[in-house]
Amino acid sequence: SQQGEEDPQALSIQEGENATMNCSYKTSINNLQWYRQNSGRGLVHLILIRSNEREKHSGRLRVTLDTSKKSSSLLITASRAADTASYFCATEESETSGSRLTFGEGTQLTVNP
Amino acid sequence: NAGVTQTPKFQVLKTGQSMTLQCAQDMNHEYMSWYRQDPGMGLRLIHYSVGAGITDQGEVPNGYNVSRSTTEDFPLRLLSAAPSQTSVYFCASRRQGEGGYTFGSGTRLTVV
Repeated sequence: SQQGEEDPQALSIQEGENATMNCSYKTSINNLQWYRQNSGRGLVHLILIRSNEREKHSGRLRVTLDTSKKSSSLLITASRAADTASYFCATEESETSGSRLTFGEGTQLTVNP
Repeated sequence: NAGVTQTPKFQVLKTGQSMTLQCAQDMNHEYMSWYRQDPGMGLRLIHYSVGAGITDQGEVPNGYNVSRSTTEDFPLRLLSAAPSQTSVYFCASRRQGEGGYTFGSGTRLTVV
């Protein structure tokens, strides 16, 4: 079963706007990760946030984690057409016991030029 | 440094045939995993390995076998292909203790 549920399923914005995607999960986690997938390609790791962290930044990406609500959000600021892709959250219950990632169903982001 | 290499990129099988999807990484990563991705869905874990000689089942292991005789290679075997195994298969690896996985570019498998 899917651990994460992502919201919205699809998001269409104009270049320069911010994009926010949300992820909810069900069980206790060690960390939560975000990946990007361009059409027909493999996944690319974007950012990881650990269960004891609340916010993390990487370039134009900002990730928050609320373990009490079992939810995370990914914010992409000043979006570009090249950000058009599917974005997946993935949770890892333990970093050392087999490292099983459980993925959400993804958010399809379209950035219009 | 090629990263994670998957072969073949495309494959068409007839129902009942068997085949092996190859996955190799040159980063000396201990952890390797196989996922399948179906339309409109996220990735589901098939099998994974935490090191040479050690494998375990994921969420959807039925119909698949794996082995890990070396650190570099983690082949996925389809024993008797079924149309339900039509999917895109991704191999991924990471170093123990580090967070993000490196993914291969995928194998698109069609079973007719």
